[in-house]
Amino acid sequence: SQQGEEDPQALSIQEGENATMNCSYKTSINNLQWYRQNSGRGLVHLILIRSNEREKHSGRLRVTLDTSKKSSSLLITASRAADTASYFCATDEGSRLTFGEGTQLTVNP
Amino acid sequence: DAGVIQSPRHEVTEMGQEVTLRCKPISGHNSLFWYRQTMMRGLELLIYFNNNVPIDDSGMPEDRFSAKMPNASFSTLKIQPSEPRDSAVYFCASRRQGLYEQYFGPGTRLTVT
Repeated sequence: SQQGEEDPQALSIQEGENATMNCSYKTSINNLQWYRQNSGRGLVHLILIRSNEREKHSGRLRVTLDTSKKSSSLLITASRAADTASYFCATDEGSRLTFGEGTQLTVNP
Repeated sequence: DAGVIQSPRHEVTEMGQEVTLRCKPISGHNSLFWYRQTMMRGLELLIYFNNNVPIDDSGMPEDRFSAKMPNASFSTLKIQPSEPRDSAVYFCASRRQGLYEQYFGPGTRLTVT
């Protein structure tokens, strides 16, 4: 079964709004990563947060990690139509990644 | 940098036929991963190699699946014989030693009829 579980499964917002996606996991991790997948394409790495970090920023992306609750969130601020994609969290347990089921984000222009 | 290269991009074959998927990782990356993505099961790790050596093949569904990495710049995933339930998108990804992020290829969409 998938280690990471994303919530919500689907999210539809208007351009300019913020989008928040959540991820929960079950076991100890070295780090947690977020990836984006556009329709019909491969996954693209967005951001990594280590197990000893609580928050990380990259451009319009903000990731938080709560290891006590085994959860992470990805915030995309000032969303654009080009952000429309599926977003996956992936837990790194040492060498291998386990991906969640993803959140389908639709940003309407 | 050309990124991870996969071929073919699309493959349609009949049940019982042999299928070979190919991957060229990014130059200088020493780890290579094969994944399968379906609507029902999501993204699953099939096998990964480190320095051309298979490390974990616990995700390989059954003996019909085999993977090889004869050198640092080439890997194959073979299905023989193929079955309709093997229909999926197969991704190859590579990673540089010491780093955590993986770089994915565009995938091969396999349809077995």
